[in-house]
Amino acid sequence: EPEVTQTPSHQVTQMGQEVILRCVPISNHLYFYWYRQILGQKVEFLVSFYNNEISEKSEIFDDQFSVERPDGSNFTLKIRSTKLEDSAMYFCAGGQGETQYFGPGTRLLVL
Amino acid sequence: AQSVTQPDIHITVSEGASLELRCNYSYGATPYLFWYVQSPGQGLQLLLKYFSGDTLVQGIKGFEAEFKRSQSSFNLRKPSVHWSDAAEYFCAVGTHNQGGKLIFGQGTELSVKP
Repeated sequence: EPEVTQTPSHQVTQMGQEVILRCVPISNHLYFYWYRQILGQKVEFLVSFYNNEISEKSEIFDDQFSVERPDGSNFTLKIRSTKLEDSAMYFCAGGQGETQYFGPGTRLLVL
Repeated sequence: AQSVTQPDIHITVSEGASLELRCNYSYGATPYLFWYVQSPGQGLQLLLKYFSGDTLVQGIKGFEAEFKRSQSSFNLRKPSVHWSDAAEYFCAVGTHNQGGKLIFGQGTELSVKP
């Protein structure tokens, strides 16, 4: 059964550095998402992506964040200048309609 | 505003005992409801979902959930818990049917006593 994959599984970075989190969704998915979960808090929606453009974004998803799907397979989340408060688990998800299937997550630690 | 509440942060049950995890939602339209499970170090695995029709839905691993519109609830149940069910469980509501975001509850951590 195909699965959503994410790389890296863990990333440690210095404050102010750029990070790129990568996701490979299931091939027949049409909608793509990023969520994050700060330790001890809820899973929060960041952004959704459809037909090569952002369809919805949360207030968390400010100018420091960007997403793209450059080659039709990888779906990336870039944080341009990381802050301490960006430390979280980041989940990629994909789906064809109502149901979303999640990847295993990337744990990002900003020092 | 849409929201999901899971009143129990942590529940402990004995292996073989029954389980009910509570979920209440607030959403103006017909909700799309989901339960996900997260084992330590793992991603979110879909257990079951409700869109319409029969209000009692069956999922994987022997779980079921019942949608009660009058109570705005979607509680997850299992008749006999196994030690491998120890995990964190998240209830979520979908905001519309095609490509809409999910809104998650706080999660309930389940511990299983031998």
